Amino acid sequence: DVKVTQSSRYLVKRTGEKVFLECVQDMDHENMFWYRQDPGLGLRLIYFSYDVKMKEKGDIPEGYSVSREKKERFSLILESASTNQTSMYLCASSSIGNEKLFFGSGTQLSVL
Amino acid sequence: AQSVTQPDIHITVSEGASLELRCNYSYGATPYLFWYVQSPGQGLQLLLKYFSGDTLVQGIKGFEAEFKRSQSSFNLRKPSVHWSDAAEYFCAVGAKEYGNKLVFGAGTILRVKS
Repeated sequence: DVKVTQSSRYLVKRTGEKVFLECVQDMDHENMFWYRQDPGLGLRLIYFSYDVKMKEKGDIPEGYSVSREKKERFSLILESASTNQTSMYLCASSSIGNEKLFFGSGTQLSVL
Repeated sequence: AQSVTQPDIHITVSEGASLELRCNYSYGATPYLFWYVQSPGQGLQLLLKYFSGDTLVQGIKGFEAEFKRSQSSFNLRKPSVHWSDAAEYFCAVGAKEYGNKLVFGAGTILRVKS
């Protein structure tokens, strides 16, 4: 069974902390994505990657960065967490030429 | 810019009644269209997708959707709703020209009353 695993289900951090959200997929997918989900706004794309060491900005990249050192792992980094980054973060992956996204269960991040 | 509109934030239907969730899109290219479902505490699961061909597509769990190019719509339907269908539903649109990026609507929360 295909799997996208996000390391934490719930996370509580303080403003100004550096935060790492980890995502691992076991499907050998080339494409990986980070979305944030907020009530009434749906999912918004933060960053995505089509290959190792490659990254592209999505629609709302400000305040975030990413790292993809290995094909199966895509990390989202909040350099200095702020309260407006309190949200549900969803990681997804897909294979080349296949637009079907496989999603992780999400990480609910609270920044206090 | 591409956008997806789901006009209904919440919908409540009785168990056994029919369901239609609306989705309208604005996209410059020939679109691919998707419906995803999210149960509480879960990630998103693909219900169905439209790439080309027959404009009426069948999905999992008895759902179907119809692509209407003239109305820029891709509404999701189910003839008889079950209590387990209570969830949040997201419409999404993509295009070959934009790679694998999808744009999602704001979601519709479905409540089922017995």
